[in-house]
Amino acid sequence: EIVLTQSPGTLSLSPGERATLSCRASQGVSSIYLAWYQQKPGQAPRLLIYGASSRATGIPDRFSGSGSGADFTLTISRLEPEDFATYFCHQSGTAPLSFGGGTKVAIK
Amino acid sequence: QVHLVQSGAEVKKPGASVKVSCKASGYTFTDYYIHWVRQAPGQGLEWLGWINPNSGGTSYPQSFQGRLTLTRDTSISIAYMELNSLKSDDTAVYYCARVLSFTHGFDLWGQGTPVTVSS
Repeated sequence: EIVLTQSPGTLSLSPGERATLSCRASQGVSSIYLAWYQQKPGQAPRLLIYGASSRATGIPDRFSGSGSGADFTLTISRLEPEDFATYFCHQSGTAPLSFGGGTKVAIK
Repeated sequence: QVHLVQSGAEVKKPGASVKVSCKASGYTFTDYYIHWVRQAPGQGLEWLGWINPNSGGTSYPQSFQGRLTLTRDTSISIAYMELNSLKSDDTAVYYCARVLSFTHGFDLWGQGTPVTVSS
């Protein structure tokens, strides 16, 4: 089973700042199977990035994904008020599929 | 408009079963896999399995083998998740989500179905 470890657990930032979120896998993940989701309280997750770096439909270009092997990063270039939420990475290349524990981006 | 609409909240006793439905609309049901994911209160996301609506083929994690059944009815574009022998730690919000392929991510989610297991 591939374990995804996200860091930090909480990121306290101000609007306009840059957010860098990390996702580390316990073994290599092909980048085509790595996705990122945003979740707000009381809502279902929303797909942001798939294939490690491809933005989903309608996702603003301030969101970008990168990485390969076992290390992946989600970057939000300039935080907007609506970006304060929890973010999960996800691998779908090896069964059982798995999610990271999440990073909460909180308002400082 | 594309949607996945799930059935309503459930309250069950330990040992009982629950069946949650997920109705697809606005797209061809058999073109996308349906996955199920759950989220316990205040916790992260846990993958439960997938069903191929076209073939009926399924896959489950080892931890749910024998307790979880995914089915579908293509005539009415509904996927079902049935979980048996419920325990208190099955209390969670259960989501269905569609995916075109394993490289595309879950691009459409249901609204979630809260399931509470309590005596």
